[in-house]
Amino acid sequence: GEDVEQSLFLSVREGDSSVINCTYTDSSSTYLYWYKQEPGAGLQLLTYIFSNMDMKQDQRLTVLLNKKDKHLSLRIADTQTGDSAIYFCAERIYGDYKLSFGAGTTVTVRA
Amino acid sequence: EAGVTQFPSHSVIEKGQTVTLRCDPISGHDNLYWYRRVMGKEIKFLLHFVKESKQDESGMPNNRFLAERTGGTYSTLKVQPAELEDSGVYFCASSPDNSPLHFGNGTRLTVT
Repeated sequence: GEDVEQSLFLSVREGDSSVINCTYTDSSSTYLYWYKQEPGAGLQLLTYIFSNMDMKQDQRLTVLLNKKDKHLSLRIADTQTGDSAIYFCAERIYGDYKLSFGAGTTVTVRA
Repeated sequence: EAGVTQFPSHSVIEKGQTVTLRCDPISGHDNLYWYRRVMGKEIKFLLHFVKESKQDESGMPNNRFLAERTGGTYSTLKVQPAELEDSGVYFCASSPDNSPLHFGNGTRLTVT
């Protein structure tokens, strides 16, 4: 099976950039996702990238993929208090339907 | 469009009791999934329906768990009898095909 790993906690000052890291193990063609879970809410899809891409940018979010190291990162520019949440990295092998999630990174934004 | 709806949002039951969780997917989504997050760990796949058929139930922990999707619309997940280790957040998700999943808010199950 696939193993997806993330650091558990990140504290960042409001206005700074946040970088959340994730590593995965499968080397097949794969989709890699970032989901956000705010307190009491479900999982909100933030962005995703296919493994033939190196980077994807969407407003304040930048996803970087290093296929050689199987390393994925999510950068949030100008972090705001509303960005405080748990961020989950997930992997899906092309042709499969299952997602393999990491344990989630709890991001705390301090004033 | 209405999102994925799960009921109840919270459930507290005693060990040995039965609990049934319900999920209403987004209308028209043939694919329905159940996932579970236990004790702050990773979110784990339980099973996948395509319409009313179980496509993959490899993640179901044991035979105390029974999922159904009669008529290919809403789904239920029954735990009988519940054990302490079943506590966690149960997420339901749906998709029209293999595009990104839409998740519900989850049901927090506490077994005491």
